[in-house]
Amino acid sequence: GNSVTQMEGPVTLSEEAFLTINCTYTATGYPSLFWYVQYPGEGLQLLLKATKADDKGSNKGFEATYRKETTSFHLEKGSVQVSDSAVYFCALTQAGTALIFGKGTTLSVSS
Amino acid sequence: NAGVTQTPKFQVLKTGQSMTLQCAQDMNHNSMYWYRQDPGMGLRLIYYSASEGTTDKGEVPNGYNVSRLNKREFSLRLESAAPSQTSVYFCASSVRFYPTNTGELFFGEGSRLTVL
Repeated sequence: GNSVTQMEGPVTLSEEAFLTINCTYTATGYPSLFWYVQYPGEGLQLLLKATKADDKGSNKGFEATYRKETTSFHLEKGSVQVSDSAVYFCALTQAGTALIFGKGTTLSVSS
Repeated sequence: NAGVTQTPKFQVLKTGQSMTLQCAQDMNHNSMYWYRQDPGMGLRLIYYSASEGTTDKGEVPNGYNVSRLNKREFSLRLESAAPSQTSVYFCASSVRFYPTNTGELFFGEGSRLTVL
């Protein structure tokens, strides 16, 4: 079945550092891919998405590119801020299925 | 804007007790979902309702029942709570179910349940 694998956390960075959170997926066909973010004490919210190969999703300085050849959707940000501290979830969906989430990666940014 | 509202936010139960988690959305969404979040496990789908009048099992439905009361409301019931059901529960909604859905789910703030 379909699945999503994220890098283990926590990820601890200093402010203005470069961020990469790895995500790979297993799916038949052509899924849509997503990154969701969960700030402390809140529910998840959509950060960005890509619906076909080579698409780049972007939002709030975060980017991720849908790479079908490597079945990956890595999240990147050039300069993180303390306010980016949160849990990040990679997710996918295909026709007729609900969203499948990865286990989440906790990011902690210090000033 | 209320969005997705869950009640209660916190609950402590004893093993064998029953309870219902309530969820309501005011965005006129057709589809609603219940997920549980456990450390190291991410979010796992318990049940979903693709549209009013339908419900389906997700990945981890055992020990739970759901009711889509109307288009706005989707409740999750634990008939006989067990310690393994200690978790944070999230309700979510979307405009439509897949494949026509854009994939954007709107989540409530969560309900933290502890079963002793």
